[in-house]
Amino acid sequence: AQSVTQPDARVTVSEGASLQLRCKYSYSATPYLFWYVQYPRQGLQLLLKYYSGDPVVQGVNSFEAEFSKSNSSFHLQKASVHWSDSAVYFCALSPPNAYKVIFGKGTHLHVLP
Amino acid sequence: DPKIIQKPKYLVAVTGSEKILICEQYLGHNAMYWYRQSAKKPLEFMFSYSYQKLMDNQTASSRFQPQSSKKNHLDLQITALKPDDSATYFCASSQEVNSGNTLYFGEGSRLIVV
Repeated sequence: AQSVTQPDARVTVSEGASLQLRCKYSYSATPYLFWYVQYPRQGLQLLLKYYSGDPVVQGVNSFEAEFSKSNSSFHLQKASVHWSDSAVYFCALSPPNAYKVIFGKGTHLHVLP
Repeated sequence: DPKIIQKPKYLVAVTGSEKILICEQYLGHNAMYWYRQSAKKPLEFMFSYSYQKLMDNQTASSRFQPQSSKKNHLDLQITALKPDDSATYFCASSQEVNSGNTLYFGEGSRLIVV
């Protein structure tokens, strides 16, 4: 069965600090992998996605993620966070030829000004 | 302007009643979805449709019935409402239904069942 695990329910960092949000997936092959962000009272928006090629993928707003097949991970990173990055971040996967996207439980990011 | 319109944004329903959540997308997409988000089960996939045909259904209960009158419409009818149905229901769309397509979400319909 496919699944996504985000081990940290909540992360708090200071503005200007670096950030890593962790994501591990379970799937027999390489799925499509995504990071989405949800701001308060809004729907989710795509930050970035990966399927093949360079394991480091760039996204919007200076976010990037690194895929590791050996670790079944797809961690999200940002060099310097801003208070406006406070939101809920969801890691997600979609197996090839599937008709759905499976989301993790999300990580609440709180950036201290 | 929002490209995916969900109505209503908020609603309170009585246990046992029936409600319809409306979703229209103006992105020209061919696939539409419903997801549910609650405190107990964050962002749970419910249905996916492509060209108005059901592609996947992960909802065990027949009380949840999607209805697609047009390609850019996917409403969700919920019958015999229960307090456990309280959640925010998100409609989403993508260019096509197959893997790798980016999902675009509406702002959600928040349902409270009392």
